[in-house]
Amino acid sequence: GEDVEQSLFLSVREGDSSVINCTYTDSSSTYLYWYKQEPGAGLQLLTYIFSNMDMKQDQRLTVLLNKKDKHLSLRIADTQTGDSAIYFCAESISDNNDMRFGAGTRLTVKP
Amino acid sequence: NAGVTQTPKFRILKIGQSMTLQCTQDMNHNYMYWYRQDPGMGLKLIYYSVGAGITDKGEVPNGYNVSRSTTEDFPLRLELAAPSQTSVYFCASSYSSGSIDEQFFGPGTRLTVL
Repeated sequence: GEDVEQSLFLSVREGDSSVINCTYTDSSSTYLYWYKQEPGAGLQLLTYIFSNMDMKQDQRLTVLLNKKDKHLSLRIADTQTGDSAIYFCAESISDNNDMRFGAGTRLTVKP
Repeated sequence: NAGVTQTPKFRILKIGQSMTLQCTQDMNHNYMYWYRQDPGMGLKLIYYSVGAGITDKGEVPNGYNVSRSTTEDFPLRLELAAPSQTSVYFCASSYSSGSIDEQFFGPGTRLTVL
């Protein structure tokens, strides 16, 4: 398909792990990104992974990349209420200066 | 550094009115971008600029115009506002294009066209 796809909503309890999934489109994308958007704010880069990597870990965040299936996931360990936000998956488009974003997954963390 | 700033934060326009959304960055970034974010949709690129004096169309440029007379400023112009342009508009900048260079986003302008 032409779109970067993500599920729109995820709800977890505080302390649980969250897994946000994404399917991207361009098999030649060099970098794949996760952006976080808090209410009333712009997007902030959370983490990224280079396409020749399978996994990247950064403190509570783990990014998994399956190039064969064009599947990207973000795992947040020990999810906190401050993690409540919208998370966008994005891919760099290989033939122009563009990034393609998914619709965003709204993560709600319940106490 | 203030980063990327956008004004106004909110605006209501009547159909057919014109307005300019302002965007300024103080990070000396070469690349600047305008996106729109519709509910339940990903960000769509409207226009981008690779440097002062150079602009190019993105995915959804119709109904908009841009200019880049300085490195710092990248205003987005709506000439004849239409209800379909109701959206949240984000300006972003980066040192160079794509790859690892992070795009820094402004806080957004929420525009409603009635």
